[in-house]
Amino acid sequence: NAGVTQTPKFRVLKTGQSMTLLCAQDMNHEYMYWYRQDPGMGLRLIHYSVGEGTTAKGEVPDGYNVSRLKKQNFLLGLESAAPSQTSVYFCASSLPNGGTEAFFGQGTRLTVV
Amino acid sequence: GDSVTQMEGPVTLSEEAFLTINCTYTATGYPSLFWYVQYPGEGLQLLLKATKADDKGSNKGFEATYRKETTSFHLEKGSVQVSDSAVYFCALSTGFQKLVFGTGTRLLVSP
Repeated sequence: NAGVTQTPKFRVLKTGQSMTLLCAQDMNHEYMYWYRQDPGMGLRLIHYSVGEGTTAKGEVPDGYNVSRLKKQNFLLGLESAAPSQTSVYFCASSLPNGGTEAFFGQGTRLTVV
Repeated sequence: GDSVTQMEGPVTLSEEAFLTINCTYTATGYPSLFWYVQYPGEGLQLLLKATKADDKGSNKGFEATYRKETTSFHLEKGSVQVSDSAVYFCALSTGFQKLVFGTGTRLLVSP
């Protein structure tokens, strides 16, 4: 059982370039999330989805777009990367039940130069 | 808005020492509370949780009690091991199971 899989694991971008991070889960979870992790700031929610075809903004959505065309996949896009987007990105998924556990991927370390 | 405050690290302990990592929260309503752990180079994984006041979550010797009166969820372990070295995150869940995290506390355990 793979759980939550993120690709790629590492990436270096130049300022202004674009890229897409892919998240796939095989647990049939309704909810999916993208967080970023920065030193001294914990994890902050970028965008989330409560089902196929739905997306919503989190705490820090600016500069990112997302899509959930299939229930098992949640894509995070950077249209024009900036150095401030250098971070570690985590995807997570969960069931819709209250108090349920979130399952996290192993993360994508992105550096924008 | 909702927030979580946890003690700054790193916390440095010798093996078999007692561990406490403090966590307090601010939230509307009655959120579920979690401790997640992140080992080097890995994603976060659930350590324990509590979904209502006075609940005690426990796992692998770690414990935390949901205290509504003090809005706290402190993590404790009676005897830490080198393998417990990791970053620990306190978190609460809001609508749609979105998580609000504390800043994380790095624990370093030496032999």
